[in-house]
Amino acid sequence: QKEVEQNSGPLSVPEGAIASLNCTYSDRGSQSFFWYRQYSGKSPELIMSIYSNGDKEDGRFTAQLNKASQYVSLLIRDSQPSDSATYLCAVNGGSQGNLIFGKGTKLSVKP
Amino acid sequence: DAGVTQSPTHLIKTRGQQVTLRCSPISGHKSVSWYQQVLGQGPQFIFQYYEKEERGRGNFPDRFSARQFPNYSSELNVNALLLGDSALYLCASSLEWGQGQFFGPGTRLTVL
Repeated sequence: QKEVEQNSGPLSVPEGAIASLNCTYSDRGSQSFFWYRQYSGKSPELIMSIYSNGDKEDGRFTAQLNKASQYVSLLIRDSQPSDSATYLCAVNGGSQGNLIFGKGTKLSVKP
Repeated sequence: DAGVTQSPTHLIKTRGQQVTLRCSPISGHKSVSWYQQVLGQGPQFIFQYYEKEERGRGNFPDRFSARQFPNYSSELNVNALLLGDSALYLCASSLEWGQGQFFGPGTRLTVL
C-alpha cells in the first residue's frame, strides 16, 4: 500500500515567519512530487512541482526533495494570513498516473 | 484560458439512486482523473483516462464507472448510491502523463 504521510497540524506561525511543511512517502519508485493548497470549501490548487533531488524556488515558496530519505518539504517565507489553508502533499503513483495524497497539514498564519 | 470545469456544483440524491458527474479539462489536456475527497482527508483516486483510454482505477467498487469522450471531456457515474458516497468529487486534468494535475471546482454530492 503506497502511502503519503503528513503531520495534520494545525501548524500556527506568526505573520512574516517561515512555515515549514513536511511529507514522507513509502514508494521508492515515485518520480513526481507536488504541493497543493486547499482553502476551506474549495478544490486543491497546484502550487509547486518537483521532480529531482534538491531545492526548487518559486516566489515565497521553496520545495525540497530528498529521494534517499523519501522526504519532501515545502517552505513558505514571509508567511501571510492569506496563506492560511490546508497544504496537501501528493506523489505520482508510479505506473499509474494517479496522485497519492497525504491527509494535509492545516496552516494558520496569525497577524 | 479556462480552467477545468465541472457540473453540477452541488447535488442531492437519495440512497439507491444513480448520479452522473461531468468534467471538461483544460484545453489541450489529454489526461483526466477523478478523485473523491471526504472531510479531513486528502483526495482519493478513482479513475484516470489518457487519450480516451482507462489507464488506472483506484480501490472503488464497481458501482463507480467513468468514460472519456473524443473531445477529452469525461463523465463519472455512480450507481446504487450509499450514504458513504457523500463527498466532494474532483476532476483533474494534466497536459501529459505524470505531470501536475489541475483540479476543477468539484461537485459536492450529498446522499440522504
